[in-house]
Amino acid sequence: GEDVEQSLFLSVREGDSSVINCTYTDSSSTYLYWYKQEPGAGLQLLTYIFSNMDMKQDQRLTVLLNKKDKHLSLRIADTQTGDSAIYFCAESIVDSSYKLIFGSGTRLLVRP
Amino acid sequence: EPEVTQTPSHQVTQMGQEVILRCVPISNHLYFYWYRQILGQKVEFLVSFYNNEISEKSEIFDDQFSVERPDGSNFTLKIRSTKLEDSAMYFCASKARNNEQFFGPGTRLTVL
Repeated sequence: GEDVEQSLFLSVREGDSSVINCTYTDSSSTYLYWYKQEPGAGLQLLTYIFSNMDMKQDQRLTVLLNKKDKHLSLRIADTQTGDSAIYFCAESIVDSSYKLIFGSGTRLLVRP
Repeated sequence: EPEVTQTPSHQVTQMGQEVILRCVPISNHLYFYWYRQILGQKVEFLVSFYNNEISEKSEIFDDQFSVERPDGSNFTLKIRSTKLEDSAMYFCASKARNNEQFFGPGTRLTVL
């Protein structure tokens, strides 16, 4: 079945890089997404990667995909206090209606 | 920038009452979704809607739930007889052709 796993918590110092990891199980995934959720807010799409890519960079964000190990990571360079939030990894299955299967989220705390 | 909107932001209802949650997806999108997030838990897929019909639904989406696109802009989720366990954040999302899936800010449903 489909399952997405993430570590629950990450704490970094301001200015350092953050790396949030995710593993997924469904090999038919086509798109893998990262969303950010601030307290009391909705889900903000940060970036996504197609499964035939192994890396995507967008300003401070770098996504790495290891399809063999079904491992996805999000690296945030020069992490700022405004990056403190919950980060969700999600996979989209091509055979379905492109519904998203979410991980449980990683809470990122950026210390000044 | 176009965005998904949802109303109300917070709905309080008595157990057994009907509620309708409303969403306005992004106008040129063709796939629409409802997800829910029980406090402290994962975001869960409820239903997807394409070409004026349900394309997929989860086990959660039982006979108490229904969706409708009554006109060209609104997309609604109805819960016929609410239960305590329906208390959650309900997110509407819509998908672009490039598979970007955008979420609304959510409706917090509290069932008393």
